[in-house]
Amino acid sequence: AQTVTQSQPEMSVQEAETVTLSCTYDTSESNYYLFWYKQPPSRQMILVIRQEAYKQQNATENRFSVNFQKAAKSFSLKISDSQLGDTAMYFCAFMKLRAWGKLQFGAGTQVVVTP
Amino acid sequence: GAVVSQHPSRVICKSGTSVKIECRSLDFQATTMFWYRQFPKQSLMLMATSNEGSKATYEQGVEKDKFLINHASLTLSTLTVTSAHPEDSSFYICSARASGTGDLRAGELFFGEGSRLTVL
Repeated sequence: AQTVTQSQPEMSVQEAETVTLSCTYDTSESNYYLFWYKQPPSRQMILVIRQEAYKQQNATENRFSVNFQKAAKSFSLKISDSQLGDTAMYFCAFMKLRAWGKLQFGAGTQVVVTP
Repeated sequence: GAVVSQHPSRVICKSGTSVKIECRSLDFQATTMFWYRQFPKQSLMLMATSNEGSKATYEQGVEKDKFLINHASLTLSTLTVTSAHPEDSSFYICSARASGTGDLRAGELFFGEGSRLTVL
C-alpha cells in the first residue's frame, strides 16, 4: 500500500516570499504520478502541478516548482513570489500508473499568505 | 476548461432518509468517475470508482449498501447515501477522468465543486 505524508500542518509566508511544502511517499511501484493540488476556501480542487516518476526533470508551472527526489521518495513544492490568492490547503497526491485516476492524498498543508 | 458539476452543493436531511448527489461532466465524456469523502480539516479519502455501464468498485471499509453508486451514462454518476445518519455528514467530492474524445487528453482528471451533506 502507498502512504503519502505531509508533515507540515500549516505554513505562513509573506507576500512575495518563497515557501516550500514537503511531501514524502512510500511505494513499491516503479511507475507513478505525483501531484500537488490546491483547495481554497471554495473547496474546489485545483491542480497545481504534476510529475511523472519516470521523468528526471522537475516540473515547473509559472511560480510553482517541485523538487522530485525519486530515490528518497520526496516531492516538495516551492511557491515563489507568494500571492494572497495562494492562501489555501495544499495536498500532495500519489497515483499508480496502473490505477489511473485513483489518487491517494496526504493530510494537507494549510498555506497562509500574509500581506 | 473542462467542467465537472456536482449537485446539490449543499444538502441537509433528516436521519434515516436517503440523499442523492450527482456528478456530471458538462463538456466531455467520462467513462470513469471517482468519489471521495472529506471530513472537516482532513484529507480526501477515496470511496469508490464508478465505471459507466458496470458496477462500482469500492475501497476497503466503504459500505457498498450504504453508498450506492450508479454511472448510467458517459456524463453522469450518482452517489446515494442510504438511510443517512449524522456520522455520514461530510463533504463529498467527485472527479471525472476524460475518456479522450474531443480536445481533452484521455485520462485528464477534473474535480467537481463538492457537495456538503449535513444529516440532522
